[in-house]
Amino acid sequence: ETGVTQTPRHLVMGMTNKKSLKCEQHLGHNAMYWYKQSAKKPLELMFVYNFKEQTENNSVPSRFSPECPNSSHLFLHLHTLQPEDSALYLCASSNAGTGINEQYFGPGTRLTVT
Amino acid sequence: QQQVKQSPQSLIVQKGGISIINCAYENTAFDYFPWYQQFPGKGPALLIAIRPDVSEKKEGRFTISFNKSAKQFSLHIMDSQPGDSATYFCAASMNSGTYKYIFGTGTRLKVLA
Repeated sequence: ETGVTQTPRHLVMGMTNKKSLKCEQHLGHNAMYWYKQSAKKPLELMFVYNFKEQTENNSVPSRFSPECPNSSHLFLHLHTLQPEDSALYLCASSNAGTGINEQYFGPGTRLTVT
Repeated sequence: QQQVKQSPQSLIVQKGGISIINCAYENTAFDYFPWYQQFPGKGPALLIAIRPDVSEKKEGRFTISFNKSAKQFSLHIMDSQPGDSATYFCAASMNSGTYKYIFGTGTRLKVLA
């Protein structure tokens, strides 16, 4: 595996379900990000982790719960979601604090909440 | 202050033509401006990026023009090809440790064969 991988690629869940999205980066980076991409809106930064520590939470509802057990893995736990949470969820990684700003994205998980 | 405004929302160009996408920002603390290309079903991929100490950067058919005083930057795609048809996002970030990106709303480019 190379780059940033995300599983599952597609997810359909009811509003009362609990599911998790997984992201793994194979680039040796130390920072990981969750973004939400909705139609006709800018990519919205949700969470930032730097060396496993959460450094940013952009006022994300508590029904989204991130987890970063190490610098290579990032999870997004979902529960009691709303239909408006349907979107493409993108994971990204970068080398923070090195002067190299590039973020590398995974292919995303297309989430549909019914 | 944190917004990046991108235009146009969509663009249709003939094969061989020049595609131009524009972005504007307000926060002068931004010091890194990448462009991302996204194909349907894929995540955004870094295309080219520029820092404000240069006015232009070219990589193959892709050029970023940067106007620091106007707080604007643009992507030019020369000799546009049908394979360039994708959504393009500009972004801006500042040196704040984790380099948080502020993205534009995207431009859907279609290059006609």
